[in-house]
Amino acid sequence: KAGVTQTPRYLIKTRGQQVTLSCSPISGHRSVSWYQQTPGQGLQFLFEYFSETQRNKGNFPGRFSGRQFSNSRSEMNVSTLELGDSALYLCASSLASRGRRDTGELFFGEGSRLTVL
Amino acid sequence: GENVEQHPSTLSVQEGDSAVIKCTYSDSASNYFPWYKQELGKGPQLIIDIRSNVGEKKDQRIAVTLNKTAKHFSLHITETQPEDSAVYFCAAKGNYQLIWGAGTKLIIKP
Repeated sequence: KAGVTQTPRYLIKTRGQQVTLSCSPISGHRSVSWYQQTPGQGLQFLFEYFSETQRNKGNFPGRFSGRQFSNSRSEMNVSTLELGDSALYLCASSLASRGRRDTGELFFGEGSRLTVL
Repeated sequence: GENVEQHPSTLSVQEGDSAVIKCTYSDSASNYFPWYKQELGKGPQLIIDIRSNVGEKKDQRIAVTLNKTAKHFSLHITETQPEDSAVYFCAAKGNYQLIWGAGTKLIIKP
């Protein structure tokens, strides 16, 4: 079955602009999480969506927002871009079911690499 | 707040030797400890995990050990191969979200 798909894979923006990134989870997965990855900072949790509701939120400013649609696809938006927003943005989906077949495993996409000039 | 410390940040080992990566967590409610491997240009992928009711788990050349009293867990890779070169992340989960370590870059020298 298809994995997690993130688009676009690469993009370049200038300071002050905004960007929207898209994530299509594995079919049947109900939870989508977003992470920011920068060299030396590891994986920084942005937020998690489940059934179109934000379930958890990391410690990022309000310029970072997201949403989830009824088909579980998710988007994240960054407004008023700053140079420090340059990073790899990773999306991960999980089953998020209470059943025994949910191991809690996160399935990551290959990421969207954002460069802010 | 909760945090996970991971050491070392970079580990270089000779091909065929063993590699050990260690993590320490702060939240005593943590009960799930996964390890993810991230190869260049790809997203992280789960390689092994352990739950708090188990002390050790093995899967071929990799193993994870957990010491709940000391709040630390380790990843052991034996007979390392070139394809083991990657960044490895540990994580710990309690009542809420996963808390991630900073990652270890594992270099396998030929």
